[in-house]
Amino acid sequence: EAQVTQNPRYLITVTGKKLTVTCSQNMNHEYMSWYRQDPGLGLRQIYYSMNVEVTDKGDVPEGYKVSRKEKRNFPLILESPSPNQTSLYFCASTLLAGGGHAGQFFGPGTRLTVL
Amino acid sequence: AQSVTQLGSHVSVSEGALVLLRCNYSSSVPPYLFWYVQYPNQGLQLLLKYTTGATLVKGINGFEAEFKKSETSFHLTKPSAHMSDAAEYFCAVSDVETGTASKLTFGTGTRLQVTL
Repeated sequence: EAQVTQNPRYLITVTGKKLTVTCSQNMNHEYMSWYRQDPGLGLRQIYYSMNVEVTDKGDVPEGYKVSRKEKRNFPLILESPSPNQTSLYFCASTLLAGGGHAGQFFGPGTRLTVL
Repeated sequence: AQSVTQLGSHVSVSEGALVLLRCNYSSSVPPYLFWYVQYPNQGLQLLLKYTTGATLVKGINGFEAEFKKSETSFHLTKPSAHMSDAAEYFCAVSDVETGTASKLTFGTGTRLQVTL
């Protein structure tokens, strides 16, 4: 089954404790992206990757890091989480061939609470 | 840069009534436009999309949307609402302008409530 998986689905942590949210897709997609969803703000892109070892900032990258060592995986790293990073996070992927026609496939989301 | 405006953060309709969710976009080039649906505690699911060709596009679950360039709109409609349509709906535009067509800019979402 074609899918994007994220782990963990729920996480409660404390300020300053480093954490990683994993994202994996099994569709051989080149493009992967992280979004955060906040009430009244919709989804905002944090980082994206066009392929292995190619990453770039989205609209709200401050406080986040990513890496793309393998095509299927795109982890999101919070080196020193703060309460304003409490949010619902989504990973997404798509094929670059076709120029974005396909839309993006989304993971189930990770609800993060930083105390 | 592209932007998307969804009018109405909450819309309530009766079961069997017409559903109309509004989306306006700004883009200096013909955009790719998408509607996504998010059911409670789930990720986003693609409902329908417009890229090129026919301006009236049909999606899953009986939804459709019409691309109107003159009005810069891409409103989502469904003739008869069902209780299972209760969800949050997001309109999105892709960044064709800069060549990174895979980058999506989302609206702030419209929560659809369906009442008996």
